[in-house]
Amino acid sequence: AQSVTQLDSQVPVFEEAPVELRCNYSSSVSVYLFWYVQYPNQGLQLLLKYLSGSTLVKGINGFEAEFNKSQTSFHLRKPSVHISDTAEYFCAVTLSGNTGKLIFGQGTTLQVKP
Amino acid sequence: GAVVSQHPSWVICKSGTSVKIECRSLDFQATTMFWYRQFPKQSLMLMATSNEGSKATYEQGVEKDKFLINHASLTLSTLTVTSAHPEDSSFYICSARDTLLNTGELFFGEGSRLTVL
Repeated sequence: AQSVTQLDSQVPVFEEAPVELRCNYSSSVSVYLFWYVQYPNQGLQLLLKYLSGSTLVKGINGFEAEFNKSQTSFHLRKPSVHISDTAEYFCAVTLSGNTGKLIFGQGTTLQVKP
Repeated sequence: GAVVSQHPSWVICKSGTSVKIECRSLDFQATTMFWYRQFPKQSLMLMATSNEGSKATYEQGVEKDKFLINHASLTLSTLTVTSAHPEDSSFYICSARDTLLNTGELFFGEGSRLTVL
């Protein structure tokens, strides 16, 4: 079975500073990896996804993530954050293909301070 | 991108009543939809996988008689919370996977906040 661990429950950062949200996964087979963002009382919005190919994935809102198979990680980064990036971020994993369940990590609260 | 619409966004009901939440894929067909439950400040917990034309598959610990799921068409799945009690109060989120894509990506509804008095 697949699992995801987000190593930080909260990440406070000042506006315009860089940020990294950490995610590690566990799986014995090939997987797809995702980062979603959730604003208060809303559903989830996809930031980016890794299916195959280039290990550096670029997403919306200036976010990017790097798939590292040897370290089983998929950390999310942004070089300069804005106040509007304050939200809950979820890393998720599913089996490669279109049939698996999507399993979420515990979530990381990004708090951007002015 | 693909749009999933969830209704109602907010619902308040009395203890003992039943509440139905609808999840619609607006511009794509979804053979499979997923229902999640989210408690405050927590992650999404998968409740069940809804399969068009067949019975839903429930995760361990989820009462299938309490949370009835129907997926009668390729664009609609419903979750009915039967005989709701205050402990059923939560944020319920549905998601759908585009049958024609092979990206594993799920598209999420806006969520439904249920409050049982």
